[in-house]
Amino acid sequence: QLQLQESGPGLVKPSQTLSLTCTVSGGSFNRVAYYWSWVRQHPGRGLEWIGYILYTGITFFNPSLRSRVNMSVDTSRTQFSLILNSVTAADTAIYYCAKASRVGSVTEPFANWGQGTLVTVSS
Amino acid sequence: DIQMTQSPSTLSASVGDTVTLTCRASQYINVWLAWYQQKRGKAPELLIYKASTLESGVPSRFSGSRSGTDFTLTISDLQPDDFATYYCQQYDSYPWAFGQGTKVEIK
Repeated sequence: QLQLQESGPGLVKPSQTLSLTCTVSGGSFNRVAYYWSWVRQHPGRGLEWIGYILYTGITFFNPSLRSRVNMSVDTSRTQFSLILNSVTAADTAIYYCAKASRVGSVTEPFANWGQGTLVTVSS
Repeated sequence: DIQMTQSPSTLSASVGDTVTLTCRASQYINVWLAWYQQKRGKAPELLIYKASTLESGVPSRFSGSRSGTDFTLTISDLQPDDFATYYCQQYDSYPWAFGQGTKVEIK
């Protein structure tokens, strides 16, 4: 059974860089049809899709965050990472990694999620 | 960008009730709509995709439907485990977007 697990600092100072890693186990990682994604949830609020990366390194980001976000992938470790620059208190949220897929020409949404990790931006 | 609007924000119901949650897309998204259930302190779980297809392992009391840009999630015979927050998500076009959620609480 596919499992995703987020890891990274729980506290980041304003203006600094948030960096999280998602480790994937129990299933395939190197499939071009898998969209390895990040989704965040502000405290007590709804969900926001941040973007995804394919195992090839191709990325697609939400325009609302595109100027500050980057992602990378390490296929040897079956990990993908999120980098968010110049953070403010507004970036305080639970960050989830998740997997969406493509089957033929059809996208399938987030069937697999990590447990989430709370990142607080504060001095 | 496509906006997803869910209603109501909160719904009070009793065990055994049938409840209907609504999600409206600001633009045409065909059938590319998913529903998730989120319990407190947990990650969302996929219930329905492609507007009406039940994810494997999800009880049949959950069902989804579509009428144009309006989508509904119906929960029949509400069970104690169903009290949670439900989100819709469009994946027709980028950026993928979620609704703000409907909380189903015990009356």
